[in-house]
Parts: sequence; structure tokens; C-alpha cells
Amino acid sequence: GENVEQHPSTLSVQEGDSAVIKCTYSDSASNYFPWYKQELGKGPQLIIDIRSNVGEKKDQRIAVTLNKTAKHFSLHITETQPEDSAVYFCAASRANAGKSTFGDGTTLTVKP
Amino acid sequence: DAGVIQSPRHEVTEMGQEVTLRCKPISGHNSLFWYRQTMMRGLELLIYFNNNVPIDDSGMPEDRFSAKMPNASFSTLKIQPSEPRDSAVYFCASSLYALEAFFGQGTRLTVV
Repeated sequence: GENVEQHPSTLSVQEGDSAVIKCTYSDSASNYFPWYKQELGKGPQLIIDIRSNVGEKKDQRIAVTLNKTAKHFSLHITETQPEDSAVYFCAASRANAGKSTFGDGTTLTVKP
Repeated sequence: DAGVIQSPRHEVTEMGQEVTLRCKPISGHNSLFWYRQTMMRGLELLIYFNNNVPIDDSGMPEDRFSAKMPNASFSTLKIQPSEPRDSAVYFCASSLYALEAFFGQGTRLTVV
């Protein structure tokens, strides 16, 4: 089955700096890669996703890159703000084929 | 749509008691997932349903756990008998064709 590894497990940055979280996956057939943000006391919520037919996707301060050959994808947050502090999860799946496999999560702290 | 609705939000029960967690997925979604989240083990997939049929229950810890989805708008996760190590936050999520997963607010279960 699919195996997703996520690094780092914790990340602390200064407000205004960039944050990068990286994930690797094992199943070359995976073609859907979402990123979720989980705030305290809430369920994870999708912030951005990418499919395997593109290498990069951007939404304001958030971007995701995908390298299918190396089987890794990354989340980039620019100009971080204190409200970006949360736990971030990457995931991988085959669209239309069932479950997503989640990484272990990264706790991001943005210091004002 | 109100999103994925879980009940109760909090449950405190004594060891040995039966616990039933409930979930109403988003209307029109064809996949439903039950996750358990703890500090030690992260986000674990317990079971998922596709079109109301259980597809993969390999994550269910043991026979004390059971899940049902009698129709497209309702699912339950039952623990009988409950044990202190079952204490966790349980999330229900639904999706369409295994793409973005929409999570509920979770049920925080404490077994004393």
C-alpha cells in the first residue's frame, strides 16, 4: 500500500518568513495530493491540492510543487502570519480509487 | 450544506460501557471515512465506505470496534466494551470520488 512520509514534524518561523513542508510517497500510481490544515479543536480542512498532471499550483501565499519522478511534493507558505500556526498534513491517493494516506503532520508555529 | 456533522462533540464514559459515535456526511458524497487521532499515533484511518459498502476496515483496532452505514446519510462507529486506551478524537470525513475529504468537527472521547 501507499506510504507517506512528512518532514519536518515541527517547524517554527518568524512572521513574514517562508515555511516549507515536504512529503514523499511510495505508490507511483498515486495521482492526487491534497494538503490539509488543522486548527486547534477542529477537523483538518483542505487548503490546496495538486494532481499529477501538473508540477506546481499556487493560491495566494500558498503553493504546492510535485516531482513525480522523485515521488515527492512540498507545501510552500510565503509571508507567514500568526494565523498560519496550525498542524499541516499532506496526503496521497489514487483519485476514484478509495482512501487517502496521510503523513504524520507538521506543527507550524509562526512567531509574531 | 452544513458540512459533515458528528455527534456527540464530547463523550465521557466509564470503561466497559458501549459508545456510539454518529456521522452525517455531506449529501451527494459517495465515500465516508472514520479516523482516530491521538498524539502518539497521529491520524489513523479506521474504516472507509464507498457507496455505503465497507471497503477497507484494516485499520479497525480490534473486534471491539464496529462501523455501519445503513444509508447514504448516516454512519455509526461503535466501541463495545470501551477501554481507556480508546480515548482519542474520532473524525468522520466524506468525499466524492476519493478527492477532497471534508472532515467533521470530531468527537472527543474520554474513557475513564
